[in-house]
Amino acid sequence: GIQVEQSPPDLILQEGANSTLRCNFSDSVNNLQWFHQNPWGQLINLFYIPSGTKQNGRLSATTVATERYSLLYISSSQTTDSGVYFCAVDNFNAGGTIYGKLTFGQGTILTVHP
Amino acid sequence: DTGVSQNPRHKITKRGQNVTFRCDPISEHNRLYWYRQTLGQGPEFLTYFQNEAQLEKSRLLSDRFSAERPKGSFSTLEIQRTEQGDSAMYLCASSLVSGSNEKLFFGSGTQLSVL
Repeated sequence: GIQVEQSPPDLILQEGANSTLRCNFSDSVNNLQWFHQNPWGQLINLFYIPSGTKQNGRLSATTVATERYSLLYISSSQTTDSGVYFCAVDNFNAGGTIYGKLTFGQGTILTVHP
Repeated sequence: DTGVSQNPRHKITKRGQNVTFRCDPISEHNRLYWYRQTLGQGPEFLTYFQNEAQLEKSRLLSDRFSAERPKGSFSTLEIQRTEQGDSAMYLCASSLVSGSNEKLFFGSGTQLSVL
């Protein structure tokens, strides 16, 4: 199956700093999503981004599908950004239908100190 | 839109007992997924429903596990004869496919501890 590698595994920042998280995947994908898992375990969908660039407030993401990687940018980090960031992909395509059978990476643990 | 709801939030059981979890997806979402997450790992796919039909099951889902989604609304996941290795967070997600876009929304999960 498809392999997903995330880096770095851990990241510690001071509030206000910027960061870049990376996701490499081993095959072409039809579906790529970034999630934030907060300290209470809730997984929040940040971006659906199989290709291209999207921005949402202080967060943005870029996926270069041809080179099989995606980047998540966090600017002006806040303590509430702490948690685990997951990249998840699926390359299944049966007759043009995609679905959410996602393979998750191991995650990047982000800690933001005040 | 009240989000995906899962109950119970925590479940502690003794080895050998049966447990059942419930998931209420976002209303009108036609797809529902179950994932399992162990400590320090990303979630792993278990099974998937389109409306009431269970269309795929992972090989992680042994014959002690069964999932249903009657009438295409809420879903239940039952584990029979629980083992300590079943201890994990069980996550439910739902989605509504729009064109080629499928974004998953997860519930808060049910944390299972098997003693």
